[in-house]
Amino acid sequence: RKEVEQDPGPFNVPEGATVAFNCTYSNSASQSFFWYRQDCRKEPKLLMSVYSSGNEDGRFTAQLNRASQYISLLIRDSKLSDSATYLCVVKGNTGGFKTIFGAGTRLFVKA
Amino acid sequence: EAGVAQSPRYKIIEKRQSVAFWCNPISGHATLYWYQQILGQGPKLLIQFQNNGVVDDSQLPKDRFSAERLKGVDSTLKIQPAKLEDSAVYLCASSSGKRHGEYRQATNEKLFFGSGTQLSVL
Repeated sequence: RKEVEQDPGPFNVPEGATVAFNCTYSNSASQSFFWYRQDCRKEPKLLMSVYSSGNEDGRFTAQLNRASQYISLLIRDSKLSDSATYLCVVKGNTGGFKTIFGAGTRLFVKA
Repeated sequence: EAGVAQSPRYKIIEKRQSVAFWCNPISGHATLYWYQQILGQGPKLLIQFQNNGVVDDSQLPKDRFSAERLKGVDSTLKIQPAKLEDSAVYLCASSSGKRHGEYRQATNEKLFFGSGTQLSVL
């Protein structure tokens, strides 16, 4: 089983749609969780951290369910500029605190 | 603030040749990471340094890959000899590495990436 697994893509949605991405992780000792965004041929950049109580940043909402080892990202009112690959990232708090990326979910927002 | 610097930007070599990549992290960042990203996949952690010590290299193919961060600042990643399947983008990232409560920790663990080195092995 992969350490971090994400929904296979791509997701094709119209502008204004709401889209949700899911991610599961295998290491129950994982401590920190993030969503990164990666544009085509660019490096990943932090979109948002995911906190235990869940958090929101504008049109983006992240949720964490530690019992199910599950993370989600919800994008409301999708914009063309949201088209990118979304990477789920998990960091442990043991064994060196290594930071593991999921394979990513590709999102295409159409006009 | 200067970002993470990587060089070269592109490299084309033939299989069985050697290649080296260089990374200079953000000043003061204790943690440095090397990731390999094959087209269509997520970044795969090759090695993670905390200052000049290795904290994880479980996915580094040690028969051909080596990395060092001798003075706890910049780092080099070497492949010798290269194989066709090594064709990928090699990303270096750094983070401050400081540990605090949840919210500050999350901020301090933000990874800053360089632009990457695109390696083509022919």
